[in-house]
Amino acid sequence: NAGVTQTPKFQVLKTGQSMTLQCAQDMNHEYMSWYRQDPGMGLRLIHYSVGAGITDQGEVPNGYNVSRSTTEDFPLRLLSAAPSQTSVYFCASSKRQGVTEAFFGQGTRLTVV
Amino acid sequence: AQTVTQSQPEMSVQEAETVTLSCTYDTSESDYYLFWYKQPPSRQMILVIRQEAYKQQNATENRFSVNFQKAAKSFSLKISDSQLGDAAMYFCAYRSRGQGGSEKLVFGKGTKLTVNP
Repeated sequence: NAGVTQTPKFQVLKTGQSMTLQCAQDMNHEYMSWYRQDPGMGLRLIHYSVGAGITDQGEVPNGYNVSRSTTEDFPLRLLSAAPSQTSVYFCASSKRQGVTEAFFGQGTRLTVV
Repeated sequence: AQTVTQSQPEMSVQEAETVTLSCTYDTSESDYYLFWYKQPPSRQMILVIRQEAYKQQNATENRFSVNFQKAAKSFSLKISDSQLGDAAMYFCAYRSRGQGGSEKLVFGKGTKLTVNP
């Protein structure tokens, strides 16, 4: 039972570097999303997707890009990392109808120095 | 836009006792879901309990129960017979039921629960 697989678990970047956080789910969920978690801020939505080929911005999208070429995968790209992007990132997926809760990956702790 | 407020940044409870975590939310919708997620030090987000707004009966999962007051827009979590393993961050979350919002969760800022032996 893989569920939502998120890689890597930890990453250190230098300011200005780029990287992609990977997220894959094997539950055929229509919805996928990325959140960032900062101390005292809860989880805030970065980008989300309601299906392959469809993405939209969440609450804090600046500095991040996403694409959804398949139902299973939803990578998050940092084009030019900044110290303000130091955070814990979560990918989540859910069904459009039926089972209501979101399933989360294990999170990525990203540090930008 | 919907908002979720958790007014208690930190709470503590003695092992075997009961604790209640507060959550209020703001919405103009009548049909939605509410959730409590637990995040232990492992960082994994674990669903504790869910409530469907159209159901008047409060949800219960073993030692976890909610007090859902729709008119007051309140959704508190009660943990009975607290155990050391209950120590974690707890997040309250809202999800719309209809289209145009159901694809995302709105989270509160969390309550850190400490369980004292």
